[in-house]
Amino acid sequence: ETGVTQTPRHLVMGMTNKKSLKCEQHLGHNAMYWYKQSAKKPLELMFVYNFKEQTENNSVPSRFSPECPNSSHLFLHLHTLQPEDSALYLCASKGGVTEAFFGQGTRLTVV
Amino acid sequence: AQTVTQSQPEMSVQEAETVTLSCTYDTSESDYYLFWYKQPPSRQMILVIRQEAYKQQNATENRFSVNFQKAAKSFSLKISDSQLGDAAMYFCAYRSQETSGSRLTFGEGTQLTVNP
Repeated sequence: ETGVTQTPRHLVMGMTNKKSLKCEQHLGHNAMYWYKQSAKKPLELMFVYNFKEQTENNSVPSRFSPECPNSSHLFLHLHTLQPEDSALYLCASKGGVTEAFFGQGTRLTVV
Repeated sequence: AQTVTQSQPEMSVQEAETVTLSCTYDTSESDYYLFWYKQPPSRQMILVIRQEAYKQQNATENRFSVNFQKAAKSFSLKISDSQLGDAAMYFCAYRSQETSGSRLTFGEGTQLTVNP
């Protein structure tokens, strides 16, 4: 256990569905991240939040909508996704100069 | 922009033997952090070891050690006395020395198999 919890662990959704991924940490970290991990590709940074403010959007399509209501929670709202969006979505948090701690990820399948 | 390259998509090692995973990176910064993360089938990304660029001494964590060559921008991971539980995908990662909010840049990963 790293202290970063992601729910759900698995999600199957249709292209017209709306769903949300949740990430929670109680490590006192101020920065939270969403990464996408596709097969045979490096982890791709999607969004960075620092003290609840979005500080980076790595050209992510608008069908992915992040929300950070407080420093402990991070959401990724999904709507009208495409099959190529199927991947493992990893959340991470970091405080100060420490390393990032990752959740176990949500395996998303878009059908 | 920083880039991280892992040139070995797959590696294998016999149990109890030693294996070295390669990583190179490109940056114009002088101060930064380098990491090796392990991702077993459970998918949890676990930090294995980290190195601060300003430190000349190579980091060591039990059976895991690194060979950090700053001038060559090389950061290899050596696993000694390999165990079956070491089997996983290993990712090399780079981070600027900024504090909270700075991104991790990952390599493509190396899948390590440990043979009994």
